[in-house]
Amino acid sequence: DAGVTQSPTHLIKTRGQHVTLRCSPISGHKSVSWYQQVLGQGPQFIFQYYEKEERGRGNFPDRFSARQFPNYSSELNVNALLLGDSALYLCASSPYTRDGTQYFGPGTRLLVL
Amino acid sequence: DQQVKQNSPSLSVQEGRISILNCDYTNSMFDYFLWYKKYPAEGPTFLISISSIKDKNEDGRFTVFLNKSAKHLSLHIVPSQPGDSAVYFCAASPNSGGSNYKLTFGKGTLLTVNP
Repeated sequence: DAGVTQSPTHLIKTRGQHVTLRCSPISGHKSVSWYQQVLGQGPQFIFQYYEKEERGRGNFPDRFSARQFPNYSSELNVNALLLGDSALYLCASSPYTRDGTQYFGPGTRLLVL
Repeated sequence: DQQVKQNSPSLSVQEGRISILNCDYTNSMFDYFLWYKKYPAEGPTFLISISSIKDKNEDGRFTVFLNKSAKHLSLHIVPSQPGDSAVYFCAASPNSGGSNYKLTFGKGTLLTVNP
């Protein structure tokens, strides 16, 4: 079975631009979460979606938004990019059971110049 | 305020020996704990987990120990192999019924296993 896939793998943007990152979960997983990992830190929770509804939001500004589609894939959007948004953006999927295990994709590396 | 702490940024061990990675947490609401391994240019890979109702969980060469009173967990790798060289993240999740959605991660420990 295919794991979590993310696109694109790398992206370079300039300040003020907008970016859309995409994620396809493991087949059968209905929950998708997004994390941001900056250099030297652990991943930080941004959003969780389940059945197309937002179930959790981390401490990120409103410039960050996301949505989940009927096929459970998801998009993360970031508006008005800042230099500090440069990071690895990770998507994780989960079967949404009491077991909190989430399975991560390879990530999208975003560089904001 | 960092709720999950991995105080050792790096650890170096010889092949065949035991690797012990430590993690401390401060939030009493955490109910489920996980370890992930991360290679450069890849996403974190799930290794092993433990529920707060247990104090030990074992899977092959990997064992996780949980001391709830001390709010401390550790990952033991025996025997260590060069392919285990990676960054190891400790993560914790609150008990929210089926909504174990938010993983809180430590900063990671870089393990190097020398041949």
